[in-house]
Amino acid sequence: NAGVTQTPKFRILKIGQSMTLQCTQDMNHNYMYWYRQDPGMGLKLIYYSVGAGITDKGEVPNGYNVSRSTTEDFPLRLELAAPSQTSVYFCASSYSIGASGSGETQYFGPGTRLLVL
Amino acid sequence: RKEVEQDPGPFNVPEGATVAFNCTYSNSASQSFFWYRQDCRKEPKLLMSVYSSGNEDGRFTAQLNRASQYISLLIRDSKLSDSATYLCVVRRNTGFQKLVFGTGTRLLVSP
Repeated sequence: NAGVTQTPKFRILKIGQSMTLQCTQDMNHNYMYWYRQDPGMGLKLIYYSVGAGITDKGEVPNGYNVSRSTTEDFPLRLELAAPSQTSVYFCASSYSIGASGSGETQYFGPGTRLLVL
Repeated sequence: RKEVEQDPGPFNVPEGATVAFNCTYSNSASQSFFWYRQDCRKEPKLLMSVYSSGNEDGRFTAQLNRASQYISLLIRDSKLSDSATYLCVVRRNTGFQKLVFGTGTRLLVSP
């Protein structure tokens, strides 16, 4: 199993540009998440999904959009990139049998480093 | 006040030393507790869960004090490979049970 994979590893964007961060997991996990990690800050949840076709906002969703058309894929879309979106983005997945639980163990991808200039 | 607070460190210790980190949480509805490890420029990985009775995994011991709302991680016989940032993580018991991550405590083990 590859686990959670993310592409690209690194990207530089100009202000106002758009891009999609890709995330794929091959563990058949029902839950998937997008976090951002800024220096000196904890991981902040951007969006999450409890299954294909179901997504919801996390703590810091503004400026981002997601979709979940399959169990495996959970892309994150940045529209009109801003310098405040410079960060490291982590995708994660977990398995939970509950309706409200996020699952105890989250498996993270290697991250995408984004620089907006 | 942050929901999960940790001393950022760094904690500089020699090989073989014992080192302990504490973490406090403010939400009494928190139900589950974990320590994740994050190496420099890498993704976080689960180190261990923290149980009410305390638990041990090799050189690592985790403790939970619900009354005082803190958890701890003790590392014995530190190795160079233990150098990393240790993230304290709690899971809420209300609404969507998302994980809340602390900012991490950095550990540097030197020869």
